Amino acid sequence: QKEVEQDPGPLSVPEGAIVSLNCTYSNSAFQYFMWYRQYSRKGPELLMYTYSSGNKEDGRFTAQVDKSSKYISLFIRDSQPSDSATYLCAMGSNSGYALNFGKGTSLLVTP
Amino acid sequence: DAGVTQSPTHLIKTRGQQVTLRCSPISGHKSVSWYQQVLGQGPQFIFQYYEKEERGRGNFPDRFSARQFPNYSSELNVNALLLGDSALYLCASSLGGLAGGLVIYFGPGTRLLVL
Repeated sequence: QKEVEQDPGPLSVPEGAIVSLNCTYSNSAFQYFMWYRQYSRKGPELLMYTYSSGNKEDGRFTAQVDKSSKYISLFIRDSQPSDSATYLCAMGSNSGYALNFGKGTSLLVTP
Repeated sequence: DAGVTQSPTHLIKTRGQQVTLRCSPISGHKSVSWYQQVLGQGPQFIFQYYEKEERGRGNFPDRFSARQFPNYSSELNVNALLLGDSALYLCASSLGGLAGGLVIYFGPGTRLLVL
């Protein structure tokens, strides 16, 4: 079992929809939880990160961490065609030097 | 401010050759990490350097090596290239240290094709 599981999709939604992206993990030592956005043939861009548990909001994006369920989510409100990309979740522990990534979920927002 | 920069952007090599990839971190960042991303997969950790010392190494063979220079830039070297080394190689920088080591910002990557 991989440490981080993420449904690769693809996920297709109409413009303006609320998008929910999710990852599960198995390592209870993870304390850092990140979401990256990656456009085709580009490097990943850090969208949000959370330390430990709880929610974090930034504009149209909300990140949630549920450590009891080992489950993290990213919500995108009022989705736009420019949000079409691959979304990667990533996690790490205080004692480590590496982020563990999911496979990424491909999102397409259609006009 | 400039983000993480990497060179070259694309590279084509043949099996058995050696390659050197270069990275300059965000100004003020002291830590550089390298990741390999194969098509359809998430990035896989190769190395992290902080203050010119190797802090962590992923599950990659000894053909992979890296170093960090006094100006915090970094090089990744791969010897005896295999077809399976074809991937996007990502450099990421961070402030480093205990609190800032894992909040990493990626560069655009170097796309390596091994024929």
